[in-house]
Formats: sequence, structure tokens, C-alpha cells
Amino acid sequence: EPEVTQTPSHQVTQMGQEVILRCVPISNHLYFYWYRQILGQKVEFLVSFYNNEISEKSEIFDDQFSVERPDGSNFTLKIRSTKLEDSAMYFCASNVGSSYNEQFFGPGTRLTVL
Amino acid sequence: AQKVTQAQTEISVVEKEDVTLDCVYETRDTTYYLFWYKQPPSGELVFLIRRNSFDEQNEISGRYSWNFQKSTSSFNFTITASQVVDSAVYFCALSEADSWGKLQFGAGTQVVVTP
Repeated sequence: EPEVTQTPSHQVTQMGQEVILRCVPISNHLYFYWYRQILGQKVEFLVSFYNNEISEKSEIFDDQFSVERPDGSNFTLKIRSTKLEDSAMYFCASNVGSSYNEQFFGPGTRLTVL
Repeated sequence: AQKVTQAQTEISVVEKEDVTLDCVYETRDTTYYLFWYKQPPSGELVFLIRRNSFDEQNEISGRYSWNFQKSTSSFNFTITASQVVDSAVYFCALSEADSWGKLQFGAGTQVVVTP
């Protein structure tokens, strides 16, 4: 069964450093998403991406964040200058069609900012 | 503003007991979609069910059942005859038709099933 994959599973970085989190969505999916979950809290929407551009983003997704689909398979989230409060689990998700269809989530990348 | 409210933070039951998780949502859209996801201790998010706003028919899948009531803006989830493997955090989520798929999650309910 196809699945969303994410690398790395755990990333440790120093405050102020740039990080890139990588995701490979399910191959026939058209919509891609990033969410984050601070430890013990709810899952929060960051951004949705369709047709090579951002469809919607949340208030969390400020100028420090960017997304890219550099090739036909990868979908990346970049944080330019990490802060302590960026420490969280970051989930990538994808689906066939926007609001109606269920989103399939990757296993997550745990980001720890020291 | 909180769009999805899961008032129960944690529910503890003994195996074979039934457990009902409450979910209340808020939206002005007439077309929207509701979801339940399970997050086991391993951390992944597992899709359980999707409902659209025009389909209030309740659904049963094995030991799981869902009760969708637009009149009270609720989409409750019941696990019948709970098992230890049901121990997880369960999230209710809302997607509005014009939101490009943005899922708005509730705070989650931790279910603890003891033998």
C-alpha cells in the first residue's frame, strides 16, 4: 500500500540554523500539506500546496518558512532560522483532492532546536 | 476561534467497556467535511473516517461507530468493547469546502484502556 514517507525521522539543530524537512507524498496525489504538533498538543495546520504553489497558509507559516516541490516526488519544508519554539513533530500529508478526501500522513519528523 | 472542540482530555476504561468521544464543531459553511484520526503511542496519524455535511447517516465499522448530528454540530465516536490496542489519542478534524484542504484539529482525547 502506498504511503507518505518523511526524512529524517529526527533532526536536532542549533537555534538560528536552517533546516529542511523532506517528504515524499503518495505518487498520484495532487495536494500536499505540512502540519506540526508541539509535544502533547494538538495538530496544527501550516500550509497547503497545489499545482506548484501555496494554496493556503496559517499564521504560524511566516517568512521563516517556505515549501518547495523541487522535483516530481519530493515536497520540502524549510525553516530558515530556527527558534526554540519551532521544536515539534512535523507531519507531511497528501491527498487526491483537497477538502473532501482524507489526508494520508507521513510518520513525522521530530525537530529539536537547542 | 476554536473550530473543533473535544472537551474530554482523557478517558480511562477497562477492557470491554464502551467509550464515547465527543466532538463539537463550528462553521458557517454549508459544505464541510469531518474526520476522525487516531494517534497511537508510536505517533503516526491514522485516518479512521470521513463524513460530509450532507450525509448525516450514522456509520458502523466493526467496533467503531460514528454519530453525526448537524442540529447539535456534533460528530461523536464510539468504540464498543474496547481493547488495549485502542489506547491512543483520537482527534476530530474539520475541513471547510473553500479551505484548500486545511484540516482543523481538535485538542484530542487520550483513551487509556486497561486490561
